[in-house]
Amino acid sequence: AQRVTQPEKLLSVFKGAPVELKCNYSYSGSPELFWYVQYSRQRLQLLLRHISRESIKGFTADLNKGETSFHLKKPFAQEEDSAMYYCALSPANSGGSNYKLTFGKGTLLTVNP
Amino acid sequence: ETGVTQTPRHLVMGMTNKKSLKCEQHLGHNAMYWYKQSAKKPLELMFVYNFKEQTENNSVPSRFSPECPNSSHLFLHLHTLQPEDSALYLCASSGQTNTGELFFGEGSRLTVL
Repeated sequence: AQRVTQPEKLLSVFKGAPVELKCNYSYSGSPELFWYVQYSRQRLQLLLRHISRESIKGFTADLNKGETSFHLKKPFAQEEDSAMYYCALSPANSGGSNYKLTFGKGTLLTVNP
Repeated sequence: ETGVTQTPRHLVMGMTNKKSLKCEQHLGHNAMYWYKQSAKKPLELMFVYNFKEQTENNSVPSRFSPECPNSSHLFLHLHTLQPEDSALYLCASSGQTNTGELFFGEGSRLTVL
């Protein structure tokens, strides 16, 4: 069984401060990890995936297989980063276009001015 | 209209009613999904369809009946629901880019009285 844990329901930081949203997973095989984001009054959308190793909107996330973690980080938070962030896991090669994502409960990030 | 569209956006029904949720995507994707989002719970995968064939039923009660007549349309037929089925039902689609990116609709908010 696969499971994703986001220990923080709420996270509040000041603008310009570093932010780290935690994500831990359990899965016996080789996972693919993702971060999805939902801004206010917008639909859920992909932020980044571990395979692409990109920095999106200043956010990065490194897959740490030893610690089974995929924390999302940004060195200087901006007010527009305020949103709900969901960590998600899919079995690797789960089948072409057919993904079975398991989501965490989400962390609501508030960046204060 | 582009993207993933869900109708109705809000639905109130009694336990003896029969209603349907509709999802339509204009992205040329071949995989479509139903997710359930309840308060205080993570997003739960319900069903997955790939090229109109159901590839996943995540132990969903039979009072939820999906239908996928073609790759662009997905329905969720509801009958004899319980109050605990009240939730936000999200539809998503994905293509063959193998990126793990799901494109979500805005959801249908269901209240069962």
